[in-house]
Amino acid sequence: GENVEQHPSTLSVQEGDSAVIKCTYSDSASNYFPWYKQELGKRPQLIIDIRSNVGEKKDQRIAVTLNKTAKHFSLHITETQPEDSAVYFCAACSNFGNEKLTFGTGTRLTIIP
Amino acid sequence: DGGITQSPKYLFRKEGQNVTLSCEQNLNHDAMYWYRQDPGQGLRLIYYSQIVNDFQKGDIAEGYSVSREKKESFPLTVTSAQKNPTAFYLCASQDTSNQPQHFGDGTRLSIL
Repeated sequence: GENVEQHPSTLSVQEGDSAVIKCTYSDSASNYFPWYKQELGKRPQLIIDIRSNVGEKKDQRIAVTLNKTAKHFSLHITETQPEDSAVYFCAACSNFGNEKLTFGTGTRLTIIP
Repeated sequence: DGGITQSPKYLFRKEGQNVTLSCEQNLNHDAMYWYRQDPGQGLRLIYYSQIVNDFQKGDIAEGYSVSREKKESFPLTVTSAQKNPTAFYLCASQDTSNQPQHFGDGTRLSIL
């Protein structure tokens, strides 16, 4: 089955700086990679996703890059703000017979004012 | 995601008791999922269903059971066989493959 590793587990950055979270996956058949943001006690919310036919996707201050050869993908947040503080999860999905998402263990991002 | 409703928000289980967590969606999504979230462990898949009257075990199905009698409903029962049920349970639904999963607000289950 798929295995997703996420690093770092915690990350603190100064407000205005950039944050980068990295994930690796094991199943070369995986072709969909969403990122979720979860604030304390709340539901995970999709912030950006990328499919395997694309190498990079950007939405305002958030971008995701995908390297299929190396089987890793990264979340980049620029010009960080206090409201970016949350836990971020990456996930990978293969649609060969099922659409199970396998999640990483999460990164707790803290923005220091 | 107002289209997915989980209830109750908090639930307490006594020793030897089965409890059922509700998940309802009005998004007309075919697929529904149950995850368990423990601190520092991310989300782990318990059960999922891609169509009515059919469901599959996820990675940690032992001690849990589900049913999918209606498209909009996917209740999860935590049985007495689940010895460590304290966790945050999240339900999700999905339209078609490679589309985002949308989550409910979760149910926090604790042991009395």
